Amino acid sequence: GAVVSQHPSWVICKSGTSVKIECRSLDFQATTMFWYRQFPKQSLMLMATSNEGSKATYEQGVEKDKFLINHASLTLSTLTVTSAHPEDSSFYICSAAPRDEQYFGPGTRLTVT
Amino acid sequence: QKEVEQNSGPLSVPEGAIASLNCTYSDRGSQSFFWYRQYSGKSPELIMFIYSNGDKEDGRFTAQLNKASQYVSLLIRDSQPSDSATYLCAVISGSARQLTFGSGTQLTVLP
Repeated sequence: GAVVSQHPSWVICKSGTSVKIECRSLDFQATTMFWYRQFPKQSLMLMATSNEGSKATYEQGVEKDKFLINHASLTLSTLTVTSAHPEDSSFYICSAAPRDEQYFGPGTRLTVT
Repeated sequence: QKEVEQNSGPLSVPEGAIASLNCTYSDRGSQSFFWYRQYSGKSPELIMFIYSNGDKEDGRFTAQLNKASQYVSLLIRDSQPSDSATYLCAVISGSARQLTFGSGTQLTVLP
């Protein structure tokens, strides 16, 4: 149990375009989902906490107008990177928490050219 | 400031040995503790969670928690080369349910 999926697993897009990443909890409901970013050889960085039916809470330094989060249901949260630039290229990982423990999705590798 | 500290390693152990990974945390009010394994280029995988003082065993893994010393550890028995990864200690403090991660310990199990 406790499986979290992400789609797509990798994406290449051109600078200035937008990319949507989906995160689904497959076998449990999650009122809270989290979005992280990880650069090579660095630690996970929490970007935002997503609560079903309410606005996401963004961490300091994360632009909420650039990284749009929608937690539309108890099993789905989406992250849209708007007007992507090469510096947004990273490994984006979501997690879902049925209780305190968080289960991570497999991640989405974004490359912006 | 809430902090979680781990030895960055690298830690090398021979195959079949016990690997011991340690973590300390600064917030005495922390209530939930987790160990994640992360292979290079992959997302973290939950290995163990522990909420109460003492030991918790799951297969080859044992988590140990000592809240008085603000210390949590992970023991891996009969270590295998496939256990080679970065192990992340994480803690939840307060009601926000956000994980505070340590910087991770890189473990290498030598065949």
